[in-house]
Amino acid sequence: QITLKESGPTLVKPTQTLTLTCTFSGFSLSTSGMGVGWIRQPPGKALEWLALIYWDDDKRYSPSLKSRLAITKDTSKNQVVLTMTNMDPVDTATYYCAHRPCTGGSCHNWFDPWGQGTLVTVSS
Amino acid sequence: EIVLTQSPGTLSLSPGERATLSCRASQSVISSYLVWYQQKPGQAPRLLIYGASSRATGIPDRFSGSGSGTDFTLTISRLEPEDFAVYYCQQYGSSFTFGPGTKVDIK
Repeated sequence: QITLKESGPTLVKPTQTLTLTCTFSGFSLSTSGMGVGWIRQPPGKALEWLALIYWDDDKRYSPSLKSRLAITKDTSKNQVVLTMTNMDPVDTATYYCAHRPCTGGSCHNWFDPWGQGTLVTVSS
Repeated sequence: EIVLTQSPGTLSLSPGERATLSCRASQSVISSYLVWYQQKPGQAPRLLIYGASSRATGIPDRFSGSGSGTDFTLTISRLEPEDFAVYYCQQYGSSFTFGPGTKVDIK
């Protein structure tokens, strides 16, 4: 069974850097094809993809947020870390990490399953 | 970037009725790289449909997906009480983008 859980601060001040950790189980990021993504959702609004890291350390970022994001992995700890710089109140959202699955020998760029999410509020 | 538009924004229906949700892309989605998620209040999204028309594991057969190119549809044949939720489409043919969602609520 694959599970993921996000952790990090619930409150950050404007201009600060946010660091979120996704701790997962049930798969290894050293396995060919695997990946973990980050997606966020402002209160009452739609989902927004942020970043994705693959087993081979290839990284993809949202074009609109690329300059502010960094994603890394620690395979030994089964963790993926997302950092977002220069936080602003508009970045207030629930942040989710999610698994990029591989089935039947093929890997896919959708997300399943997702972690429970962590709400991050940006306020002074 | 491919922009996804979902319609209607809200669909008010009664249990037992058929729901038809639309997802339209600003340009053709490569190889039907289109998925649908369901999200209930306070919960994370759950994968329903992948590859535009394949049901994910454990998803009831009242859910079906169709479409190609720029027009995709999620159909719920007979709404059950647990189906009232928000539904999002996502494309992964060119980067990753989500639609704004369609809320299916009880009439």
